[in-house]
Amino acid sequence: KNEVEQSPQNLTAQEGEFITINCSYSVGISALHWLQQHPGGGIVSLFMLSSGKKKHGRLIATINIQEKHSSLHITASHPRDSAVYICAVRVNNAGNMLTFGGGTRLMVKP
Amino acid sequence: DAGVIQSPRHEVTEMGQEVTLRCKPISGHNSLFWYRQTMMRGLELLIYFNNNVPIDDSGMPEDRFSAKMPNASFSTLKIQPSEPRDSAVYFCASSLARGAYEQYFGPGTRLTVT
Repeated sequence: KNEVEQSPQNLTAQEGEFITINCSYSVGISALHWLQQHPGGGIVSLFMLSSGKKKHGRLIATINIQEKHSSLHITASHPRDSAVYICAVRVNNAGNMLTFGGGTRLMVKP
Repeated sequence: DAGVIQSPRHEVTEMGQEVTLRCKPISGHNSLFWYRQTMMRGLELLIYFNNNVPIDDSGMPEDRFSAKMPNASFSTLKIQPSEPRDSAVYFCASSLARGAYEQYFGPGTRLTVT
């Protein structure tokens, strides 16, 4: 079993829909990252969080440390949000190493 | 800052040839990471350095792979000899070393070994 599991693996939405991507992990962590990878391949860090909630524009990330679960929400989705979203955790006592989920491929249709 | 710089962006080579991938981290960052991404396995950490010193290379697939960081502004990942199964996108990322800091990814090198 992978230490970091994401769901769903693939998601298709209509423009304007509210989107939720989930990440569950089975190890103790010091931080969790959400990354975005566009079709061109570049990877961008969206959020890094260790508790609570963060918001940036239409993106919201939450984490529940007790339940070992994080969600990434996109409000008023747009075709340009189409990308692969990757959850990664910084495992306790593993320095700066990241362990990655398998990614969620999101397509937003106009 | 220009961000993390990787070269080449694309590399096509024949099986058995030596391949060298290069990375320049963001100035001031003292952690550097090499990742490999394939369709089958997703993103995997190969090796990371703190202050130019390799900290964990347990992700390096086998002895054909080696990485160096001779100074704070340059790192190489070498594959010798290359094999078709090494075909992947190789990303370099950098961050500050202490505490939980974000990692900044380079654009990646797409390697194809025929």
